[in-house]
Order: sequence, then structure tokens, then C-alpha cells
Amino acid sequence: KQEVTQIPAALSVPEGENLVLNCSFTDSAIYNLQWFRQDPGKGLTSLLLIQSSQREQTSGRLNASLDKSSGRSTLYIAASQPGDSATYLCAGTCAMNRDDKIIFGKGTRLHILP
Amino acid sequence: KAGVTQTPRYLIKTRGQQVTLSCSPISGHRSVSWYQQTPGQGLQFLFEYFSETQRNKGNFPGRFSGRQFSNSRSEMNVSTLELGDSALYLCASSHSGQVASEQFFGPGTRLTVL
Repeated sequence: KQEVTQIPAALSVPEGENLVLNCSFTDSAIYNLQWFRQDPGKGLTSLLLIQSSQREQTSGRLNASLDKSSGRSTLYIAASQPGDSATYLCAGTCAMNRDDKIIFGKGTRLHILP
Repeated sequence: KAGVTQTPRYLIKTRGQQVTLSCSPISGHRSVSWYQQTPGQGLQFLFEYFSETQRNKGNFPGRFSGRQFSNSRSEMNVSTLELGDSALYLCASSHSGQVASEQFFGPGTRLTVL
């Protein structure tokens, strides 16, 4: 059974620091891994999508990596800003019981201290 | 290009009632997925529709159902509401027929069951 885990559940860092958010999954047979951002009471905003054949994706100050062999993905945020404060979720797409499903982690709540 | 829209944004119902939520995908997107988000369970996949057919399904009881229309708009119905159905219901659309394509989320419908 595919499980996606995000540690820590919450993180506070001073503005300007670089930081890494972690995501681990139990089944390496994933099609892709996607990182999202969610602001309080809002929907999800897609940040980066890494296909299983890729190792990383970059967008601006964000870089996401995927290591299927170790079952891990990381989201690197450079030069953090107060506007980066949000909950970050990772989600893996995999096959389960002949269905394709997207499994989400429970997220890391990030607070950037001004 | 308009994003994914969901109506209504907020809904209050009582136990035993039924509810219908609506999702309009991004123009040109043919896949619509539904998710339930609660503080305890996080984001859980309900089902996915593609070209008016349910393509994938999560592990929710039969009280949760959905459909998709020829214009790709989708509705989700929950019958015989229970207190535990209180949640944020999110829908997401994607462009291609491949389950691994990037998902774009709507703002969600906040359902409260009293």
C-alpha cells in the first residue's frame, strides 16, 4: 500500500534562509510526484511536477528532486520570504488495485519569520 | 484562461441530507478528480472522471458518487450526510488522458454537516 509521509509537520525559519522540505513514499512504482502549496482555506497551487523518468525540476527559487530508489523527494526553497508561508504538500501518482491513484502526504506547515 | 471553479464555496447541511457539488475544469481539460480534505486524514482521493466515464476510484463508500457531463463539468453527490463528511472538497482538472499529467486545483467547497 502506497503511503506518502512528510516530515516535519511544521517548520519555522527566519526570512532569507534556504530550506528543504522532505517527502517519502513507500512504493517506488510511482508515475510522478507533484509538489503543491496550499494557503489557509484555499485550494492547492501546483508548484512542480516530476515525472518518474526525471530527477528534478526547477521553477524560480524552487527546486524539487526525486529519487525513486530511496523513495524520497525534496523541495528546496532558496532565499525564503514571508510570502512563502503556507502548507506544502507532496503527492505521488501510482497504480493501486488496477486503479491509478494520487496519494497525498499530510503536508508541512511552513512559517517564514520576517 | 480561467482556472478551475467550484460552486458553492460554502455549504451547511444537516445529517441525513444530500448535497451536490459542482466543478468546472479549465477549458480544454477533460479529466476531473475529486478529493476530500480533513484535518485528521489530510487529502484523500475520491474519484476521477475522464470523458464522462469514471476512470479511477478511491476508497470511499457508495454514498459518494459523481458524474461528468459532455462539456467536462463534473458534479459530486453525497447522500445521507454524516457528521464526518464535514470537509473541504477539492476538485482538480488535468489536460491529457494520462493519469500522470499535472493537476490544477479549484478553491474548494467547504461543507459543514450539523
